[in-house]
Amino acid sequence: EAQVTQNPRYLITVTGKKLTVTCSQNMNHEYMSWYRQDPGLGLRQIYYSMNVEVTDKGDVPEGYKVSRKEKRNFPLILESPSPNQTSLYFCASRLWGGSGNQPQHFGDGTRLSIL
Amino acid sequence: AQSVTQLGSHVSVSEGALVLLRCNYSSSVPPYLFWYVQYPNQGLQLLLKYTTGATLVKGINGFEAEFKKSETSFHLTKPSAHMSDAAEYFCAVSEGDNFNKFYFGSGTKLNVKP
Repeated sequence: EAQVTQNPRYLITVTGKKLTVTCSQNMNHEYMSWYRQDPGLGLRQIYYSMNVEVTDKGDVPEGYKVSRKEKRNFPLILESPSPNQTSLYFCASRLWGGSGNQPQHFGDGTRLSIL
Repeated sequence: AQSVTQLGSHVSVSEGALVLLRCNYSSSVPPYLFWYVQYPNQGLQLLLKYTTGATLVKGINGFEAEFKKSETSFHLTKPSAHMSDAAEYFCAVSEGDNFNKFYFGSGTKLNVKP
């Protein structure tokens, strides 16, 4: 089954304790992206990747890092989490193909609470 | 940066009534446009998309949307609401080099009354 898998689904942690949210897709998609969803703000793009070793900033990259060492994986790293990063996070992937008209496939989300 | 506006954070309709969810974008260059639906505790699912060609786009579950360049709008409609349509709906725009950047509206929660 084609899917985007995020782990963990839920995490409660404390300020400053480094954490990684993993994202894996099994569709051989070139493009992957991370979003955060906050009430009243919709989804905002954090980082995206067009392919292995190619990443770029979205709208709200501050406080986050990403890496793309393999095509299927795109982890989101919070080196020193702060309470304002408490949010619902989504990973998504799509075929890239250069034309941009392919829809994104979303994971089920990771709810992060940073105390 | 692109701005996507969804009028009405909550919309309530009766079962069988018309559904109209509004979306306006700010780009002067036509972007690619999408509508997604989110059910509770789930990720987003694509309803429909406009890239080029016919401006009236049909999607899944009986939804459709019309791209109006002069109004920079991409409103979502469904002739007859069903209880299972209750969810949150997001309008999204992609633009930039190879359309890699995505911008979402703030979402509209649709409530369907029996």
